[in-house]
Amino acid sequence: GAVVSQHPSWVICKSGTSVKIECRSLDFQATTMFWYRQFPKQSLMLMATSNEGSKATYEQGVEKDKFLINHASLTLSTLTVTSAHPEDSSFYICSASERGGAEKLFFGSGTQLSVL
Amino acid sequence: QQQVKQSPQSLIVQKGGISIINCAYENTAFDYFPWYQQFPGKGPALLIAIRPDVSEKKEGRFTISFNKSAKQFSLHIMDSQPGDSATYFCAASVTGNTPLVFGKGTRLSVIA
Repeated sequence: GAVVSQHPSWVICKSGTSVKIECRSLDFQATTMFWYRQFPKQSLMLMATSNEGSKATYEQGVEKDKFLINHASLTLSTLTVTSAHPEDSSFYICSASERGGAEKLFFGSGTQLSVL
Repeated sequence: QQQVKQSPQSLIVQKGGISIINCAYENTAFDYFPWYQQFPGKGPALLIAIRPDVSEKKEGRFTISFNKSAKQFSLHIMDSQPGDSATYFCAASVTGNTPLVFGKGTRLSVIA
Protein backbone atom coordinates (compact mmCIF):
# COMPACT_ATOMS: atom_id res chain seq x y z
CA GLY A 1 0.00 0.00 0.00
CA ALA A 2 0.89 3.64 -0.23
CA VAL A 3 3.44 4.93 2.24
CA VAL A 4 3.74 8.37 3.70
CA SER A 5 6.96 9.04 5.56
CA GLN A 6 7.15 11.77 8.18
CA HIS A 7 10.33 13.00 9.82
CA PRO A 8 11.33 13.52 12.54
CA SER A 9 9.24 11.29 14.80
CA TRP A 10 9.87 13.53 17.75
CA VAL A 11 11.69 16.75 18.41
CA ILE A 12 12.48 18.79 21.48
CA CYS A 13 13.39 22.41 21.01
CA LYS A 14 13.87 25.59 22.99
CA SER A 15 11.27 28.29 23.00
CA GLY A 16 11.83 30.77 20.19
CA THR A 17 13.46 28.36 17.77
CA SER A 18 11.99 27.04 14.54
CA VAL A 19 11.31 23.43 13.72
CA LYS A 20 10.81 21.85 10.30
CA ILE A 21 8.80 18.70 9.77
CA GLU A 22 8.99 16.79 6.48
CA CYS A 23 6.31 14.70 4.88
CA ARG A 24 7.09 12.51 1.89
CA SER A 25 4.93 10.27 -0.23
CA LEU A 26 7.29 7.42 -1.01
CA ASP A 27 5.57 5.53 -3.79
CA PHE A 28 3.08 7.90 -5.30
CA GLN A 29 2.72 11.51 -6.32
CA ALA A 30 0.58 13.65 -4.08
CA THR A 31 -0.74 16.88 -5.52
CA THR A 32 -2.40 17.57 -2.20
CA MET A 33 -1.25 16.93 1.33
CA PHE A 34 -3.02 17.75 4.56
CA TRP A 35 -1.49 18.78 7.87
CA TYR A 36 -3.21 17.95 11.13
CA ARG A 37 -2.56 18.71 14.76
CA GLN A 38 -3.61 16.42 17.58
CA PHE A 39 -3.61 17.09 21.30
CA PRO A 40 -3.55 14.18 23.76
CA LYS A 41 -6.73 12.12 23.73
CA GLN A 42 -8.32 14.42 21.19
CA SER A 43 -9.27 14.22 17.56
CA LEU A 44 -7.29 15.41 14.58
CA MET A 45 -7.64 19.07 13.79
CA LEU A 46 -6.99 20.11 10.22
CA MET A 47 -4.45 22.90 10.08
CA ALA A 48 -3.97 23.40 6.36
CA THR A 49 -4.25 21.92 2.92
CA SER A 50 -1.00 21.91 1.02
CA ASN A 51 -1.09 22.07 -2.77
CA GLU A 52 1.96 21.40 -4.89
CA GLY A 53 3.27 24.54 -6.48
CA SER A 54 0.86 26.91 -4.81
CA LYS A 55 0.17 28.49 -1.46
CA ALA A 56 -1.34 26.40 1.29
CA THR A 57 -4.90 26.92 2.40
CA TYR A 58 -5.10 27.43 6.14
CA GLU A 59 -8.04 26.66 8.38
CA GLN A 60 -9.62 29.40 10.39
CA GLY A 61 -7.62 30.22 13.48
CA VAL A 62 -4.34 28.77 12.20
CA GLU A 63 -1.61 31.39 11.91
CA LYS A 64 -0.06 31.06 8.48
CA ASP A 65 2.97 33.10 9.48
CA LYS A 66 3.64 30.77 12.36
CA PHE A 67 3.01 27.49 10.59
CA LEU A 68 4.78 27.78 7.27
CA ILE A 69 3.87 25.13 4.74
CA ASN A 70 5.79 24.45 1.57
CA HIS A 71 4.83 21.88 -1.04
CA ALA A 72 7.76 22.13 -3.38
CA SER A 73 7.32 18.85 -5.21
CA LEU A 74 4.75 16.12 -5.77
CA THR A 75 6.36 14.00 -3.08
CA LEU A 76 7.39 16.46 -0.41
CA SER A 77 5.61 18.90 1.85
CA THR A 78 7.15 20.61 4.85
CA LEU A 79 5.68 22.28 7.90
CA THR A 80 7.85 24.78 9.73
CA VAL A 81 6.80 25.92 13.17
CA THR A 82 8.42 29.31 13.53
CA SER A 83 9.40 30.83 16.85
CA ALA A 84 7.95 27.87 18.69
CA HIS A 85 6.46 28.30 22.13
CA PRO A 86 5.35 25.73 24.71
CA GLU A 87 1.74 26.03 23.59
CA ASP A 88 2.82 24.75 20.17
CA SER A 89 3.77 21.44 21.75
CA SER A 90 1.59 18.87 20.07
CA PHE A 91 1.46 15.85 17.77
CA TYR A 92 1.61 16.93 14.13
CA ILE A 93 0.52 14.55 11.41
CA CYS A 94 0.65 14.86 7.65
CA SER A 95 -1.40 12.94 5.14
CA ALA A 96 -1.54 12.42 1.42
CA SER A 97 -3.77 10.69 -1.08
CA GLU A 98 -2.93 8.85 -4.25
CA ARG A 99 -6.13 10.02 -5.84
CA GLY A 100 -6.29 13.52 -4.46
CA GLY A 101 -8.79 14.63 -1.87
CA ALA A 102 -9.73 12.42 1.06
CA GLU A 103 -10.24 9.06 -0.61
CA LYS A 104 -7.65 6.52 0.43
CA LEU A 105 -5.86 9.06 2.54
CA PHE A 106 -2.67 7.77 4.09
CA PHE A 107 -1.11 9.31 7.14
CA GLY A 108 2.45 9.75 8.23
CA SER A 109 3.55 8.38 11.57
CA GLY A 110 3.38 11.80 13.17
CA THR A 111 5.84 14.13 14.86
CA GLN A 112 5.70 14.81 18.58
CA LEU A 113 6.92 18.36 19.17
CA SER A 114 7.89 19.42 22.66
CA VAL A 115 8.85 23.05 23.16
CA LEU A 116 10.68 23.80 26.38
CA GLN B 1 -19.46 23.28 14.45
CA GLN B 2 -18.82 19.58 14.74
CA GLN B 3 -20.06 17.90 11.59
CA VAL B 4 -19.43 14.29 12.58
CA LYS B 5 -20.58 13.10 15.99
CA GLN B 6 -19.00 9.92 17.30
CA SER B 7 -20.01 7.74 20.22
CA PRO B 8 -19.16 6.30 22.62
CA GLN B 9 -16.10 8.19 23.77
CA SER B 10 -14.68 5.01 25.28
CA LEU B 11 -15.58 1.38 25.08
CA ILE B 12 -14.52 -1.74 26.94
CA VAL B 13 -15.23 -5.09 25.31
CA GLN B 14 -14.44 -8.62 26.32
CA LYS B 15 -12.15 -10.62 24.07
CA GLY B 16 -14.23 -12.34 21.43
CA GLY B 17 -17.06 -9.85 21.74
CA ILE B 18 -18.41 -7.35 19.24
CA SER B 19 -17.27 -3.74 19.39
CA ILE B 20 -19.71 -1.20 17.99
CA ILE B 21 -18.90 2.45 17.37
CA ASN B 22 -21.43 4.87 15.96
CA CYS B 23 -21.20 8.08 14.00
CA ALA B 24 -23.74 10.58 12.77
CA TYR B 25 -23.27 13.35 10.27
CA GLU B 26 -25.14 16.48 9.26
CA ASN B 27 -23.83 17.43 5.86
CA THR B 28 -25.84 15.53 3.24
CA ALA B 29 -23.16 16.31 0.67
CA PHE B 30 -20.77 13.88 2.37
CA ASP B 31 -20.23 10.87 0.14
CA TYR B 32 -17.18 9.15 1.56
CA PHE B 33 -17.04 7.64 5.04
CA PRO B 34 -13.81 6.03 6.24
CA TRP B 35 -12.80 4.61 9.59
CA TYR B 36 -9.30 5.01 10.94
CA GLN B 37 -7.44 3.14 13.66
CA GLN B 38 -4.77 4.91 15.68
CA PHE B 39 -2.31 3.48 18.16
CA PRO B 40 -0.57 5.77 20.68
CA GLY B 41 2.20 7.82 19.14
CA LYS B 42 1.33 6.76 15.61
CA GLY B 43 -0.57 8.27 12.74
CA PRO B 44 -4.05 6.97 11.88
CA ALA B 45 -4.32 3.99 9.56
CA LEU B 46 -7.20 3.50 7.16
CA LEU B 47 -9.29 0.50 8.20
CA ILE B 48 -12.29 0.45 5.93
CA ALA B 49 -14.42 2.95 4.04
CA ILE B 50 -17.86 3.11 2.47
CA ARG B 51 -19.83 5.22 0.02
CA PRO B 52 -23.57 5.91 0.28
CA ASP B 53 -24.53 3.61 -2.58
CA VAL B 54 -24.17 0.55 -0.33
CA SER B 55 -25.59 -0.16 3.11
CA GLU B 56 -22.86 -2.44 4.33
CA LYS B 57 -19.26 -3.28 3.65
CA LYS B 58 -17.25 -6.03 5.25
CA GLU B 59 -13.52 -6.58 5.33
CA GLY B 60 -12.41 -9.43 7.55
CA ARG B 61 -13.61 -8.78 11.09
CA PHE B 62 -14.52 -5.16 10.32
CA THR B 63 -17.92 -4.14 8.99
CA ILE B 64 -19.36 -0.73 8.21
CA SER B 65 -23.12 -0.33 8.34
CA PHE B 66 -24.51 2.74 6.63
CA ASN B 67 -27.96 4.29 7.01
CA LYS B 68 -28.33 7.13 4.54
CA SER B 69 -31.80 8.23 5.64
CA ALA B 70 -30.73 8.47 9.26
CA LYS B 71 -27.36 9.97 8.33
CA GLN B 72 -25.59 7.45 10.48
CA PHE B 73 -22.87 4.88 10.02
CA SER B 74 -21.21 2.47 12.37
CA LEU B 75 -18.19 0.24 12.71
CA HIS B 76 -18.57 -3.30 13.97
CA ILE B 77 -15.51 -5.26 15.05
CA MET B 78 -16.32 -8.92 15.31
CA ASP B 79 -14.37 -11.31 17.57
CA SER B 80 -12.59 -8.36 19.18
CA GLN B 81 -9.01 -9.02 20.22
CA PRO B 82 -6.67 -7.27 22.67
CA GLY B 83 -4.63 -6.15 19.65
CA ASP B 84 -7.66 -4.16 18.51
CA SER B 85 -7.26 -1.89 21.52
CA ALA B 86 -6.73 1.53 19.96
CA THR B 87 -8.53 4.76 19.21
CA TYR B 88 -10.94 4.64 16.32
CA PHE B 89 -12.01 7.66 14.33
CA CYS B 90 -14.86 7.93 11.90
CA ALA B 91 -14.61 10.58 9.23
CA ALA B 92 -16.48 12.00 6.29
CA SER B 93 -15.79 14.06 3.22
CA VAL B 94 -17.19 15.24 -0.06
CA THR B 95 -15.59 13.72 -3.14
CA GLY B 96 -13.05 16.05 -4.61
CA ASN B 97 -10.14 17.91 -3.22
CA THR B 98 -11.64 18.36 0.22
CA PRO B 99 -10.20 17.24 3.56
CA LEU B 100 -11.69 14.73 5.94
CA VAL B 101 -13.82 15.82 8.85
CA PHE B 102 -13.09 13.58 11.82
CA GLY B 103 -15.22 12.47 14.72
CA LYS B 104 -13.80 12.90 18.21
CA GLY B 105 -12.65 9.31 18.46
CA THR B 106 -13.47 6.23 20.52
CA ARG B 107 -10.92 4.63 22.77
CA LEU B 108 -11.47 0.89 22.59
CA SER B 109 -10.06 -1.47 25.18
CA VAL B 110 -10.44 -5.19 24.59
CA ILE B 111 -9.86 -7.15 27.76
CA ALA B 112 -9.12 -10.84 28.07
